[in-house]
Amino acid sequence: EAGVVQSPRYKIIEKKQPVAFWCNPISGHNTLYWYLQNLGQGPELLIRYENEEAVDDSQLPKDRFSAERLKGVDSTLKIQPAELGDSAVYLCASSKRSTGELFFGEGSRLTVL
Amino acid sequence: AQRVTQPEKLLSVFKGAPVELKCNYSYSGSPELFWYVQYSRQRLQLLLRHISRESIKGFTADLNKGETSFHLKKPFAQEEDSAMYYCARRRDDKIIFGKGTRLHILP
Repeated sequence: EAGVVQSPRYKIIEKKQPVAFWCNPISGHNTLYWYLQNLGQGPELLIRYENEEAVDDSQLPKDRFSAERLKGVDSTLKIQPAELGDSAVYLCASSKRSTGELFFGEGSRLTVL
Repeated sequence: AQRVTQPEKLLSVFKGAPVELKCNYSYSGSPELFWYVQYSRQRLQLLLRHISRESIKGFTADLNKGETSFHLKKPFAQEEDSAMYYCARRRDDKIIFGKGTRLHILP
């Protein structure tokens, strides 16, 4: 079975440009997470979905970041406009609600020039 | 605020020596704690969780509520243990990670 799939793996953009990341979770996993990981740091939660509902987006910078999970499966995370400080790895993870074990994708590495 | 603290950014240990990766958490109710690992060029994955009390790849971790710690231990380090290790805490489906410790096994 395929794990969590993310794309693109790498993205280089200039500041003020928009960027979008896509995530396909493991089939049957109701909970989907987007994490931000800066170099030398642990993952920091941006947003958590239960099916299609964003149940925790308190850490999402809503002035430039947005996310959606239509139909409760795939999810997209968007940044518009991107800033230099947004350079990081964006991780998607999914889990079955009952277990708490997260399954991570390989991440999308963003470089903003 | 919930916090997970890993005081060491880097830990270098000789092959065959014991390993202990430290993790402390801020106390609030009954914690559910995990260790995640990321090997070179691989995705982040679960290593073990405290509720299962199992040993994975020779690693164990005991929850010490008195010291609010969940240190990861292995009696004899192997070269393949070199990786980034993250301690994590779950509460209400919110999972918070520490900053991680890089374990470097010396030959």
